[in-house]
Amino acid sequence: RKEVEQDPGPFNVPEGATVAFNCTYSNSASQSFFWYRQDCRKEPKLLMSVYSSGNEDGRFTAQLNRASQYISLLIRDSKLSDSATYLCVALTGTASKLTFGTGTRLQVTL
Amino acid sequence: EPEVTQTPSHQVTQMGQEVILRCVPISNHLYFYWYRQILGQKVEFLVSFYNNEISEKSEIFDDQFSVERPDGSNFTLKIRSTKLEDSAMYFCASSRNLDSGAFFGQGTRLTVV
Repeated sequence: RKEVEQDPGPFNVPEGATVAFNCTYSNSASQSFFWYRQDCRKEPKLLMSVYSSGNEDGRFTAQLNRASQYISLLIRDSKLSDSATYLCVALTGTASKLTFGTGTRLQVTL
Repeated sequence: EPEVTQTPSHQVTQMGQEVILRCVPISNHLYFYWYRQILGQKVEFLVSFYNNEISEKSEIFDDQFSVERPDGSNFTLKIRSTKLEDSAMYFCASSRNLDSGAFFGQGTRLTVV
């Protein structure tokens, strides 16, 4: 089983739509979780941390369910500029290793 | 805004040669990382470095690889005797603490021919 698993997509949505991405992780000892975005041939950029209590940053909401080992990202009112690959990331191992999922590709269209 | 910087942005090397990839992490960060991403594949962990020593490494990070923090600002990845399959984008990252997430440099694209 992969350590961090994501649906690769692509998700094709119209501008203004709400889209949700899901992610599962296998290591119950994972301590912290993050969402990153990666544009084509660019570096991953930290989008937000994920907490059990939920974390909202503008149009983006992230949620962690430790019991189900499940992480989500909700994007409201999608913009063309949101088109990217969204990477689910868990802090694992001896807590100094970030493990990346394969990413979910989002394409927002007019 | 502080950022992680990497040099060079692109390196072409012949198979069997040694390369050194350089990184300047964000100045008050304490944890340093190297990751790689083969084209079309996921970001893979190579090594983490804290308090002047390796804290964790992956099975990819074998004797061919080494890291060094030669002074207070630089963090290097050395790849000895490069192979064709080492061709990838290599990302350096740093973080202030483990809970805050890591910030990535723009990457060095290594092409082994």
